[in-house]
Amino acid sequence: AQSVSQHNHHVILSEAASLELGCNYSYGGTVNLFWYVQYPGQHLQLLLKYFSGDPLVKGIKGFEAEFIKSKFSFNLRKPSVQWSDTAEYFCAVMGAGGFKTIFGAGTRLFVKA
Amino acid sequence: SQTIHQWPATLVQPVGSPLSLECTVEGTSNPNLYWYRQAAGRGLQLLFYSVGIGQISSEVPQNLSASRPQDRQFILSSKKLLLSDSGFYLCAWSPDLGRYNEQFFGPGTRLTVL
Repeated sequence: AQSVSQHNHHVILSEAASLELGCNYSYGGTVNLFWYVQYPGQHLQLLLKYFSGDPLVKGIKGFEAEFIKSKFSFNLRKPSVQWSDTAEYFCAVMGAGGFKTIFGAGTRLFVKA
Repeated sequence: SQTIHQWPATLVQPVGSPLSLECTVEGTSNPNLYWYRQAAGRGLQLLFYSVGIGQISSEVPQNLSASRPQDRQFILSSKKLLLSDSGFYLCAWSPDLGRYNEQFFGPGTRLTVL
């Protein structure tokens, strides 16, 4: 069955610390990969996406993610977090050309000022 | 630009009462439309999706139904609410079937069934 696993449910960091959120998926075929973010009181919105090409993708606000096909992983990274990065982050996978997006359980990140 | 609206923002309903949540999209045509339920610590669960007027696919058997009476309108309904229907419901749209299939989410509706 298709699934997405996010390794951490809650992460607490101090400002300027580095961030890496793990995401592994299970899907038999070509995939599109996403990270979505939900800031407090705001809509869920796209952070970055991978469809094809360079496996290292860059998104908004200094975030990046690397697609490692052999590991079925799409980890999210940021070298130096800010207090404003406090949010919930969701990894998601969609079969190429499909409709259904499978979401992970989410990771709540809290950044201490 | 495209916008997505959901209403109501919050709703408190008694068990056994009917439900109607509405979602509309502006600024695009023939969008794919989705209803999700978001539960704390469990991510987003896809409930229904639609690729066109009157075309509804159900992902999870449950007490809910969906309809798409117009191109940019998506409605989530129930005839009799259960306590387990409480949750946060999100509507989303995506441009089309092909390459550009990221989704854009609405503000959500918080439903509490008492």
